[in-house]
Amino acid sequence: DAKTTQPNSMESNEEEPVHLPCNHSTISGTDYIHWYRQLPSQGPEYVIHGLTSNVNNRMASLAIAEDRKSSTLILHRATLRDAAVYYCILRGAQTGANNLFFGTGTRLTVIP
Amino acid sequence: DGGITQSPKYLFRKEGQNVTLSCEQNLNHDAMYWYRQDPGQGLRLIYYSQIVNDFQKGDIAEGYSVSREKKESFPLTVTSAQKNPTAFYLCASSYGTGGTYEQYFGPGTRLTVT
Repeated sequence: DAKTTQPNSMESNEEEPVHLPCNHSTISGTDYIHWYRQLPSQGPEYVIHGLTSNVNNRMASLAIAEDRKSSTLILHRATLRDAAVYYCILRGAQTGANNLFFGTGTRLTVIP
Repeated sequence: DGGITQSPKYLFRKEGQNVTLSCEQNLNHDAMYWYRQDPGQGLRLIYYSQIVNDFQKGDIAEGYSVSREKKESFPLTVTSAQKNPTAFYLCASSYGTGGTYEQYFGPGTRLTVT
């Protein structure tokens, strides 16, 4: 069963911030929130992940709701290279990979 | 440069033939994974391996087989028992399989079976 819900598609103007939402109402206390993105005909690329606190790296920021039932990936200035499908997935803290699930993601279109 | 390589990029086979997809990593990662992606769909886990000589079935393992004889290599065989083998196959690796570890993906192999 799907563990995360994302909008099918979003649009953004180039050089403007983008907020990509993800709902995960059944998240457990030990689930990490991961974000990946995939360009056409390429393998997915890791973007960012977090547990409870907001996270920043060179690619993006991750804002996690206080109840952890939702999160938002923030691209501070969208570029044409950011046009991709963005996946929000949950990964349990315990070893083993049975908890991995990639859904259909959000297709981000960046308008020049 | 460290990374994951998959070969070939495109592969064509006749129905009824087994085919093996290659995946090699030089990241010194313990865990490796195989995913399948169909057009317009997300990724689905076929098999994963946490250490050498050990692997576990994922959500859609039927019709597939793997081996992990070396840390660097995790080949996937698509057997004739797989009813719909045409798909985009992605290999990934990570330091571990816990939630703190991100996965690194290869460029993928697009398999077409006719």
